Amino acid sequence: EIVLTQSPATLSLSPGERATLSCRASQSISSYLAWYQQKPGQAPRLLIYDASNRATGIPARFSGSGSGTDFTLTISSLEPEDFAVYYCQQRSNWPPYTFGQGTKLEI
Amino acid sequence: EVQLLESGGDLVQPGGSLRLSCSASGFIFSNYHRSWVRQAPGKGLEWVSSISGSGGGTYYADSVKGRFTISRDNSKNTLYLQMSSLRVEDTAVYYCATQGAQNYFDFWGQGVLVTVSS
Repeated sequence: EIVLTQSPATLSLSPGERATLSCRASQSISSYLAWYQQKPGQAPRLLIYDASNRATGIPARFSGSGSGTDFTLTISSLEPEDFAVYYCQQRSNWPPYTFGQGTKLEI
Repeated sequence: EVQLLESGGDLVQPGGSLRLSCSASGFIFSNYHRSWVRQAPGKGLEWVSSISGSGGGTYYADSVKGRFTISRDNSKNTLYLQMSSLRVEDTAVYYCATQGAQNYFDFWGQGVLVTVSS
């Protein structure tokens, strides 16, 4: 089973700042990685798929990069609505699909 | 607009059974994999089970294998999860999700709470 480790666990920033979230895989997953955003009481929402492709309707301030074992989600300039929990997820070697433990982005 | 609506969540005793349903509207998902993902209170996301578009392929997390059964009725655009021998650790919000062509979880339902407690 592929383990995804996200860092940091919590990231404290202010609106307008740049956010950089990391996800590391226990073995190479090529580019088969997605990022999701989850707000309290809501279902997750797909942001990025295949490491760097924005899902439909996702603002351009969200970008993803990486391949192999190291991946990054960048939010170029934080908006108030971006404060949430972010998860990475791999589909390289499934089942099982696996998720990272999440990064909480807080003000 | 695509909508997924789960139902069937409840409070059940350990060892009990429950069936979850997820009906879809706004899109026909018969060609796509569909899945269940759960989230224990205050915890992260855990994939539970997936089923292929035809229903011929089913996949389970080790934690639920042999206890849960996923199925679908494409004529009703509905996904099911039959859960038996429930444990306290199965307590979670269960989300249904549909995977698009890229095989990620594109669409999610609002989630349904399953509580296993005596």
